[in-house]
Amino acid sequence: AQKVTQAQTEISVVEKEDVTLDCVYETRDTTYYLFWYKQPPSGELVFLIRRNSFDEQNEISGRYSWNFQKSTSSFNFTITASQVVDSAVYFCALSEAQRDDKIIFGKGTRLHILP
Amino acid sequence: NAGVTQTPKFQVLKTGQSMTLQCAQDMNHEYMSWYRQDPGMGLRLIHYSVGAGITDQGEVPNGYNVSRSTTEDFPLRLLSAAPSQTSVYFCASSYSRTGTTDTQYFGPGTRLTVL
Repeated sequence: AQKVTQAQTEISVVEKEDVTLDCVYETRDTTYYLFWYKQPPSGELVFLIRRNSFDEQNEISGRYSWNFQKSTSSFNFTITASQVVDSAVYFCALSEAQRDDKIIFGKGTRLHILP
Repeated sequence: NAGVTQTPKFQVLKTGQSMTLQCAQDMNHEYMSWYRQDPGMGLRLIHYSVGAGITDQGEVPNGYNVSRSTTEDFPLRLLSAAPSQTSVYFCASSYSRTGTTDTQYFGPGTRLTVL
């Protein structure tokens, strides 16, 4: 079955702390794609990253980094030196090549960065 | 480019009324989809389309109809609104199937309340 679990419903950290958002997925497909999206308080959805199942290299983009581990079916997201503007709901998502690439979302993690 | 546009932004319906949520994109994207977002539930896929004339069901299709007569437009129809359909609706599109190399772009959302 296709499933994305974000066990952390809400996290609060003080500004400048590092924070990791967990994402665990389930899939039977060998070809799949993982995504992270950000939804700030304004409500729009912002694409952050896409990773395919054949590329396990970690990725870093400024203060953001992603750790993809197929062995544990996890695709965790770390924000380094967090800022108040990082406060948002973050969604992890999965799509499978054999399912028309429909994207299935986790329930999201609400991140509060406290000044 | 206007990107993905949705109308209306807000709508209040009475139980049993019908209406159509409009979604349009001007990026010549093949793949379009509709999601609903409910508190604590993340985004759930309602219907999607991989090209003009082709549509399919997502996770929660009941109570909704879609059609894709043109590449640009993907309207979502509520045939007989129910309070359970109170939600925020997002339309999304991408150039090709989301599992390839393309970012999925989201519209700004429609907040629907059914009384």
